[in-house]
Parts: sequence; C-alpha cells; structure tokens
Amino acid sequence: EAQVTQNPRYLITVTGKKLTVTCSQNMNHEYMSWYRQDPGLGLRQIYYSMNVEVTDKGDVPEGYKVSRKEKRNFPLILESPSPNQTSLYFCASSLRVAGGHTQYFGPGTRLTVL
Amino acid sequence: AQSVTQLGSHVSVSEGALVLLRCNYSSSVPPYLFWYVQYPNQGLQLLLKYTSAATLVKGINGFEAEFKKSETSFHLTKPSAHMSDAAEYFCAVSEIRGSQGNLIFGKGTKLSVKP
Repeated sequence: EAQVTQNPRYLITVTGKKLTVTCSQNMNHEYMSWYRQDPGLGLRQIYYSMNVEVTDKGDVPEGYKVSRKEKRNFPLILESPSPNQTSLYFCASSLRVAGGHTQYFGPGTRLTVL
Repeated sequence: AQSVTQLGSHVSVSEGALVLLRCNYSSSVPPYLFWYVQYPNQGLQLLLKYTSAATLVKGINGFEAEFKKSETSFHLTKPSAHMSDAAEYFCAVSEIRGSQGNLIFGKGTKLSVKP
C-alpha cells in the first residue's frame, strides 16, 4: 500500500531533550516536506526537500533540522525542543515539486513539550 | 507572493443542505489549486485539484470546485451534506512556474453537519 508513515504518533517530552520524528514514504517520491498545524493558523511549512541531499527552509524553520540521506526518509530533528514547538506535525511527499503533483500526507505526530 | 484566504473558520449546515466553502487565492502566475479534507485525528486527504484543464473540477465524495480566474476564487461545493462530511477543509495554492511548487495553505474551515 502506498503510504507516508510517521513515528511516533504521539510524544510528550521536556524542554531541551533532543528528539527525532521519522518520516518514510514508499512511493519513490522526490519531494518531501514537513508542516506544523496549529489552531487558527492552518498548516505552515517547516522544511522541504526536492531530492536526496537537497533541503531548504520553509516558512517556520527556526528550532528544527532535517536531513535527506535516502530518498524514502526525511526525519525532523528538534535539537532543543521548547514549549512553543508543541504542535501537530505532518510529513508529506509528492512525485515532484512542480507540475501540480498531489502531496500525500502522513497521519501526523502530536508533540507536547513541557 | 502566493496566499490563500478561506472565508469562515466555521461553517454549519443541516444534513441534506448545500455545502459551500469559500477560497480566494492570490498568485502572480497561473496556479494549481487544491482542496484537502482532514477528518478528526487523521492526516490530510486530497479532495480535488485544479491543474489548468477544466475549470469545474469534480472530486471524491460528491464534492466539486470551480476555478474562476476573474474572481480569483476556487470555492468548494456539495449539493447535499452528509453527516460524514463533518471535517476540516483546507484550500491550498501552488505556483506552476519553476521548481518552487510549495503548497501554501489557507487557515482551514471546520464544517459541522446538523442532523
């Protein structure tokens, strides 16, 4: 089954404790992206990747890191999480970035930083 | 710069009534336009998209949207609401040119359906 998977689905952590949220897709997509969803703000892009070893900042990159060492994986790293990073996070992928290709979303990771 | 405005953060309709969710976009070049739906505790699922072919786009679950360039709108409609349509709906825009096809989302409209 074609899908985007994220782990963990739920995470409660404390300020400053490094964490990684994994994202994997099995569709051989070139483009992957991370969003955060906050009430009243919709989805905002954190980082995106056009292909292996090619990443760039989205609209809200502060406090986050990403890497794209393999085509299928695009982990999101919070080196020193803070309470304002409490949010619902979505990973998405599409065949390519241009051409109106559909982005497929993972099920989300709900992160709480105490 | 691209932007998307969804009018109404909450819309409530009765079962069987018309659903109309409004979306206006701003883009300096012809855009791609998308509607996504998010059911409670789930990720986003594509409802339909406009990619410069027919201006009236039909999607899943009986939804459709019409691209109106003169009004810079892409409103989502469904003739008869069903209880299962209760969800949050997001309009998104992506520019065609170049390789920067990132999606810009609206803030979402939560649809409630009353029995």
